[in-house]
Amino acid sequence: GNSVTQMEGPVTLSEEAFLTINCTYTATGYPSLFWYVQYPGEGLQLLLKATKADDKGSNKGFEATYRKETTSFHLEKGSVQVSDSAVYFCALTQETSGSRLTFGEGTQLTVNP
Amino acid sequence: DGGITQSPKYLFRKEGQNVTLSCEQNLNHDAMYWYRQDPGQGLRLIYYSQIVNDFQKGDIAEGYSVSREKKESFPLTVTSAQKNPTAFYLCASSIDGGSYGYTFGSGTRLTVV
Repeated sequence: GNSVTQMEGPVTLSEEAFLTINCTYTATGYPSLFWYVQYPGEGLQLLLKATKADDKGSNKGFEATYRKETTSFHLEKGSVQVSDSAVYFCALTQETSGSRLTFGEGTQLTVNP
Repeated sequence: DGGITQSPKYLFRKEGQNVTLSCEQNLNHDAMYWYRQDPGQGLRLIYYSQIVNDFQKGDIAEGYSVSREKKESFPLTVTSAQKNPTAFYLCASSIDGGSYGYTFGSGTRLTVV
């Protein structure tokens, strides 16, 4: 079945540092890939997505590129802010699985001033 | 503004009682989902519904029940058969079953006392 593996957290960075959160997936065919963000006590918000190989999703300074050859969708940001502190979830969906979203375990990011 | 409303935000239940969590959306989405989130863990799918009057079990349906009598509403009942009901419950919806991503509610935190 489908699965998503994220780098283990928590991740702690200083403000303006470079961020990478690794995400790899297992799926047959061509899934759609997503990054969601969850702020404390809230639901998840869609951060960015990519629906085919080599697509780059971007939003709020975050980027991720759909790499079919390495089955990866790593999240990056060039300069993090304290307000980026949250939990980040990588996810995939595929029509053959009824379009159910499969989530990774989540990565807690803390950015210190 | 369109969105998903979950209520209540906090809910306390005595052991042995059933409790119903509300989820309402005005996005005209066909598909709706219930997830459970435990501290430091990812999301696990409880039930989902792709159309009115139809729903399917997710990965952890035991001890839960749902109904989908209206397109806008997908309530979740946590029954006394659920052994460890204390968790954060998230409702989501999607326009097409997931390929464009999900919209999430802000969640209900259920505590058994």
